Amino acid sequence: DSGVTQTPKHLITATGQRVTLRCSPRSGDLSVYWYQQSLDQGLQFLIQYYNGEERAKGNILERFSAQQFPDLHSELNLSSLELGDSALYFCASSESGVNTGELFFGEGSRLTVL
Amino acid sequence: GQQVMQIPQYQHVQEGEDFTTYCNSSTTLSNIQWYKQRPGGHPVFLIQLVKSGEVKKQKRLTFQFGEAKKNSSLHITATQTTDVGTYFCAGLAGTYKYIFGTGTRLKVLA
Repeated sequence: DSGVTQTPKHLITATGQRVTLRCSPRSGDLSVYWYQQSLDQGLQFLIQYYNGEERAKGNILERFSAQQFPDLHSELNLSSLELGDSALYFCASSESGVNTGELFFGEGSRLTVL
Repeated sequence: GQQVMQIPQYQHVQEGEDFTTYCNSSTTLSNIQWYKQRPGGHPVFLIQLVKSGEVKKQKRLTFQFGEAKKNSSLHITATQTTDVGTYFCAGLAGTYKYIFGTGTRLKVLA
């Protein structure tokens, strides 16, 4: 158990819909990262937050947005969903914002868009 | 944009054989981490390398960071069935962004 909690574990929805994925980082971790893993693919970096502020952005689509709240949990919002958005979405957390330590991954949220 | 490639993409070995995966970045990295993802699981941190030319060992696993800090390797000696999974390198680009490699999926045949 990494200490990072992601909900929901599984989500099935239709094209055009909007979903929200939630992540609670490990206690004390200020940084949250979101990654997308399509079937049998690598991990695509989406976005990072540190203590409520956006720190780095990767290949995140304009239809996707994220935020980190004062209690440090984070949400990833995916809208106007397309079939290609079906993937495993991982949240990870780390202690600091300067990335000198390991990332602790949650178990992921598997999104299926039909 | 920055890319981190790994080879091979897949590797099947007999139990007891050695295994190596290579990680190559298009740009110089501040540091590099390695993760293992078991089938159906999430990535789990293995190690971090920071210095140019650094070599670290964990039991049967040996990790190297290239002199130019643009490549890295993971070598497993005498693989076991418990080594099955996908191994990812993750390079730190700039200060904040970890870019994961494409991964090497290892299958170990008993």
